Amino acid sequence: NAGVTQTPKFRILKIGQSMTLQCTQDMNHNYMYWYRQDPGMGLKLIYYSVGAGITDKGEVPNGYNVSRSTTEDFPLRLELAAPSQTSVYFCASSYWGSPAVNEKLFFGSGTQLSVL
Amino acid sequence: QKEVEQDPGPLSVPEGAIVSLNCTYSNSAFQYFMWYRQYSRKGPELLMYTYSSGNKEDGRFTAQVDKSSKYISLFIRDSQPSDSATYLCAMSFQGGSEKLVFGKGTKLTVNP
Repeated sequence: NAGVTQTPKFRILKIGQSMTLQCTQDMNHNYMYWYRQDPGMGLKLIYYSVGAGITDKGEVPNGYNVSRSTTEDFPLRLELAAPSQTSVYFCASSYWGSPAVNEKLFFGSGTQLSVL
Repeated sequence: QKEVEQDPGPLSVPEGAIVSLNCTYSNSAFQYFMWYRQYSRKGPELLMYTYSSGNKEDGRFTAQVDKSSKYISLFIRDSQPSDSATYLCAMSFQGGSEKLVFGKGTKLTVNP
């Protein structure tokens, strides 16, 4: 199984450009998440989804958009990229969506994004 | 006071040493505690999960939760160079996994 696959692995954007970070999982998980990880900082939740067609904001949603048209895919859209969006982005998925059942989040390998 | 505090290190130890990694937290409602391990340029992976207080052991790894002190620990016995990674604590209370709060992570290097 591939697990959670993110593309691209690296990207450099100019200020004001837009791009979509792709995330696909093959584990039939309903729950999917987008995090960003800044140097020396913990993971911050951007958006999450509890199933196809349902998304909700996390802690740091400004400047981002998501969609969930299928169970497998959860793309993250950056509009009008800003230097503050320079970060490593991780997509994750889980089966139960709750820590009460020894929940395990499966993470992708990340996308390193620089906005210059 | 931040919700979860974790010393970022870096921490450097010789092979075979016992390693202690710690997090403190302020929200007494937290009851699910996890440790994730993150290798360089990789995503985090779940290492240990503990519910409420107590200890949990898995091979060379022991997770400890002290809810009265709002303090969690991860001990690594007989540390190996392959344990070199960043360790992130994470915790949550009743609700969905979207409420998971991560520490900043401690970077550990085990020298052969």
